Amino acid sequence: GAGVSQSPSNKVTEKGKDVELRCDPISGHTALYWYRQSLGQGLEFLIYFQGNSAPDKSGLPSDRFSAERTGGSVSTLTIQRTQQEDSAVYLCASSFGTGYAEQYFGPGTRLTVT
Amino acid sequence: SQQGEEDPQALSIQEGENATMNCSYKTSINNLQWYRQNSGRGLVHLILIRSNEREKHSGRLRVTLDTSKKSSSLLITASRAADTASYFCATALQSYKLSFGAGTTVTVRA
Repeated sequence: GAGVSQSPSNKVTEKGKDVELRCDPISGHTALYWYRQSLGQGLEFLIYFQGNSAPDKSGLPSDRFSAERTGGSVSTLTIQRTQQEDSAVYLCASSFGTGYAEQYFGPGTRLTVT
Repeated sequence: SQQGEEDPQALSIQEGENATMNCSYKTSINNLQWYRQNSGRGLVHLILIRSNEREKHSGRLRVTLDTSKKSSSLLITASRAADTASYFCATALQSYKLSFGAGTTVTVRA
């Protein structure tokens, strides 16, 4: 079956604009995760969903970041009033349940804020 | 904060040679996972080894785990140009939250 897909693959935006990043998990996977990979910070956890609820949002860097998941499937990560430090690759992953499960990653969205 | 640390940071080998990289971590784990990343994009899951396992194989990959030393190693045998990538170990801080090391960049020369 299809893997995790993300769109867009690349996004260039001006500082101060809002952006939305989309993730389509593997069909049947109940858990969905967002990570960010930036130079100097490595890969960092942002948020995870179990179904449509987000039990842990502790990794979101600021209140400009939000995410939602609908229908237990697609998730959108929104960054408001983007800043240059938001430039990074945003990676989405999904798994069948949590419980230390294997996480399968999408190709990522490269966000550049100019 | 990062749980795992890979060593070395970079590795350059000739095609056909073996590549070994190590990962050390700080706290007790349920499992440890290795991932590969090509060209800074998506991560490909390679292998998961549980805390009660000592060694695991998958094709040309061999992973070992020593929980007493809090370390793991990934061996790629008979390397190919296509193995050129960054390799990351990851441990779960909670059951869902993976913490990644900084990665080992492997370059396989033809």
